[in-house]
Amino acid sequence: DAGVTQSPTHLIKTRGQQVTLRCSPKSGHDTVSWYQQALGQGPQFIFQYYEEEERQRGNFPDRFSGHQFPNYSSELNVNALLLGDSALYLCASSRPGLPPTDTQYFGPGTRLTVL
Amino acid sequence: AQKITQTQPGMFVQEKEAVTLDCTYDTSDQSYGLFWYKQPSSGEMIFLIYQGSYDEQNATEGRYSLNFQKARKSANLVISASQLGDSAMYFCAMREGGNDYKLSFGAGTTVTVRA
Repeated sequence: DAGVTQSPTHLIKTRGQQVTLRCSPKSGHDTVSWYQQALGQGPQFIFQYYEEEERQRGNFPDRFSGHQFPNYSSELNVNALLLGDSALYLCASSRPGLPPTDTQYFGPGTRLTVL
Repeated sequence: AQKITQTQPGMFVQEKEAVTLDCTYDTSDQSYGLFWYKQPSSGEMIFLIYQGSYDEQNATEGRYSLNFQKARKSANLVISASQLGDSAMYFCAMREGGNDYKLSFGAGTTVTVRA
């Protein structure tokens, strides 16, 4: 049973560029959440996708956008990259149900460096 | 205001001994869930244990147990019989009730297990 997968593992971009990160959920999971984790801090919620729609959004600017595909995989897009966007980006998937059935399981993350 | 507070930035524990990681939370919801995750240096966030606000018993999962004190709004993680592989960052997180799907994380506690 494959867990949550993310690609790429590492990415280096320059300021002003755009980036796309990808996530495939665990088998049986239909919900994908994205988090940003700056060095030495806890993860911060960016948004959650369910049924191909953004269901909830955290306190992040519109430069951060996403998409969910019919197979439940998801992309995170960041436009006009800033130095402060350098972080570990974590994807988490979950399945419907009452807690703890809907526990979020995380992937290995994509480490983005903006120069 | 911080929803999750972890006051111990780092802890050392001797192999085979127990260690308690502190977590306090802040919510006005009656229904909420508390989670602990482990993050090794590789970056992946690993789910350890869950406690629901209405659960009457403290949660246990193998060597992990949760000391839940609802009136004090604390959810401390106890790791028994520590192993070298337990060395990692540990995060406490909360999901509040209703249509709030996000996890709110604390700043984390680094645990180092000494042989």
